[in-house]
Amino acid sequence: DTEVTQTPKHLVMGMTNKKSLKCEQHMGHRAMYWYKQKAKKPPELMFVYSYEKLSINESVPSRFSPECPNSSLLNLHLHALQPEDSALYLCASSQVPGWRKAFFGQGTRLTVV
Amino acid sequence: SQQGEEDPQALSIQEGENATMNCSYKTSINNLQWYRQNSGRGLVHLILIRSNEREKHSGRLRVTLDTSKKSSSLLITASRAADTASYFCATEKGTQGAQKLVFGQGTRLTINP
Repeated sequence: DTEVTQTPKHLVMGMTNKKSLKCEQHMGHRAMYWYKQKAKKPPELMFVYSYEKLSINESVPSRFSPECPNSSLLNLHLHALQPEDSALYLCASSQVPGWRKAFFGQGTRLTVV
Repeated sequence: SQQGEEDPQALSIQEGENATMNCSYKTSINNLQWYRQNSGRGLVHLILIRSNEREKHSGRLRVTLDTSKKSSSLLITASRAADTASYFCATEKGTQGAQKLVFGQGTRLTINP
């Protein structure tokens, strides 16, 4: 199994809603990542989890809250988002240490209304 | 800011022609990777070239690396319509245990039938 599975594929939420994005991999990877990508731009790193511990937070606003319940799962909890947070959210995983080859999910297309 | 800068930003060629994309970076690297992204979907790892390598091949892909010029190129030979996608170079940044993959701005490649 060389897949990273993200759910949901599409999400529309209001600015007062609370929602969660989910990511799952069964490759035994011990590093997992959240990226945000706006249209026609490269992915921008948000968070890195290494061995289920948060190792990098790229100064992401607190309305985004990551969680890594176990080595296979990664969540991104969303609360009080703004319309400018609308984007494609990508989850990725890789073996640790370092990046040798990252596997990406298909992303969640988020629209904040 | 992104570590890598690709050029051209957009490239449109006829099917069967070769496509060349370039990437420049600013700081020293351990390796450089190339990823492909079909429209609005996840990224797929194409190839990794280490800093002590000058050229690497994978099928119709040829990657070169010039560390003295801090640049890399990706050549796709005998292009096909299915090669239409965005292509990103990516480099590692950070210290051991806190590394991140940083993407360049990308080249949008269109293969015309």
